[in-house]
Amino acid sequence: DARVTQTPRHKVTEMGQEVTMRCQPILGHNTVFWYRQTMMQGLELLAYFRNRAPLDDSGMPKDRFSAEMPDATLATLKIQPSEPRDSAVYFCASGLVLSGELYEQYFGPGTRLTVT
Amino acid sequence: GQQVMQIPQYQHVQEGEDFTTYCNSSTTLSNIQWYKQRPGGHPVFLIQLVKSGEVKKQKRLTFQFGEAKKNSSLHITATQTTDVGTYFCAGRPMDTGRRALTFGSGTRLQVQP
Repeated sequence: DARVTQTPRHKVTEMGQEVTMRCQPILGHNTVFWYRQTMMQGLELLAYFRNRAPLDDSGMPKDRFSAEMPDATLATLKIQPSEPRDSAVYFCASGLVLSGELYEQYFGPGTRLTVT
Repeated sequence: GQQVMQIPQYQHVQEGEDFTTYCNSSTTLSNIQWYKQRPGGHPVFLIQLVKSGEVKKQKRLTFQFGEAKKNSSLHITATQTTDVGTYFCAGRPMDTGRRALTFGSGTRLQVQP
């Protein structure tokens, strides 16, 4: 049963520290998304990749956030330096785009980040 | 920019009652997807609607896509405690090159046994 995996599941860090979150998309999926979920803002798209190339990162604060896909089996989201307002659950999702159409997204379990 | 609104934000029903959540977009959508997120869990895909006026059913769940492709609804008949969670719609605007979905704010459903 193919799943998206994310590590770590929980992260508590102090303000100013670097945070790296990792995601392994489902094998064969060509699109990877990063979302942030908070009570106040709901589910926000931060960035997404197609065939490892970044397509849209307009939802991401550029000064402190960065997203990469070093290879097809790994996507990373980094925050440097982290701030308390970054506290949220970060979801990675992968999906398959064929002929320009996106089929369902499969979400990972999320990384719950707390910045103190 | 595109906005996707969902109402109500929260609904509390008695087990056996029906439930409906509505999704409205400020722009025409090429498709709409629905997801369910259990408390403490992650969103799970339920269904995708593509055609104007399309209606799809999954057991007690009925999904509709409006004729103008700007709104959608999810109706649950005779709710059960297993239906508890937050239901999100997510749509892709038709007139942009953006391939990502915009998620609605979600409707949280609580079912009283």
